[in-house]
Amino acid sequence: AQSVTQPDIHITVSEGASLELRCNYSYGATPYLFWYVQSPGQGLQLLLKYFSGDTLVQGIKGFEAEFKRSQSSFNLRKPSVHWSDAAEYFCAVGNNQGGKLIFGQGTELSVKP
Amino acid sequence: DAGVTQSPTHLIKTRGQHVTLRCSPISGHKSVSWYQQVLGQGPQFIFQYYEKEERGRGNFPDRFSARQFPNYSSELNVNALLLGDSALYLCASSLYGGGNTGELFFGEGSRLTVL
Repeated sequence: AQSVTQPDIHITVSEGASLELRCNYSYGATPYLFWYVQSPGQGLQLLLKYFSGDTLVQGIKGFEAEFKRSQSSFNLRKPSVHWSDAAEYFCAVGNNQGGKLIFGQGTELSVKP
Repeated sequence: DAGVTQSPTHLIKTRGQHVTLRCSPISGHKSVSWYQQVLGQGPQFIFQYYEKEERGRGNFPDRFSARQFPNYSSELNVNALLLGDSALYLCASSLYGGGNTGELFFGEGSRLTVL
């Protein structure tokens, strides 16, 4: 079955600390992987994507993610978190048809001053 | 350039009523997808349309239907509303087919409350 698992429902980090959000996927075909961020009451904004090539991808707002096929993982990282990063983060998997994405449950990030 | 636009942004209905949600994709995008996001969960795929044809359907009852118009805008219709239909309904547009990176561009959503 196709699925995405985000093991951490809620994470709290101090401002300036590093961050890693975990994502594991199960997908039968070549996965196209995405991280989206959602602020309260808003739609989803794409942070970064992976579909081929270098397994370390850079995104917006200083985020990066690493694709590890052997672990079926696509973890999101940021070296220094800012208070404005507090939001809900979603990992998703899909294909190149650009229609159906399978989303994880999301990880809510809180940032302590 | 305008992004994906959705209307209405908020609406309240009662059980048994019908609702129509509207979406305009990014200019040049011919594919529109609909997602339901219940509070505290990730978005769930409902439909994808491309060139006015349904290209994918998620695990939703027949009370949910959609269509795409010649200008690529789309409507999502939900009949016989249930309390459990209360959610944020997200529309996303994308390119379609070979060479596409699979990226979806989301609108702000329509928040439906069913009383």
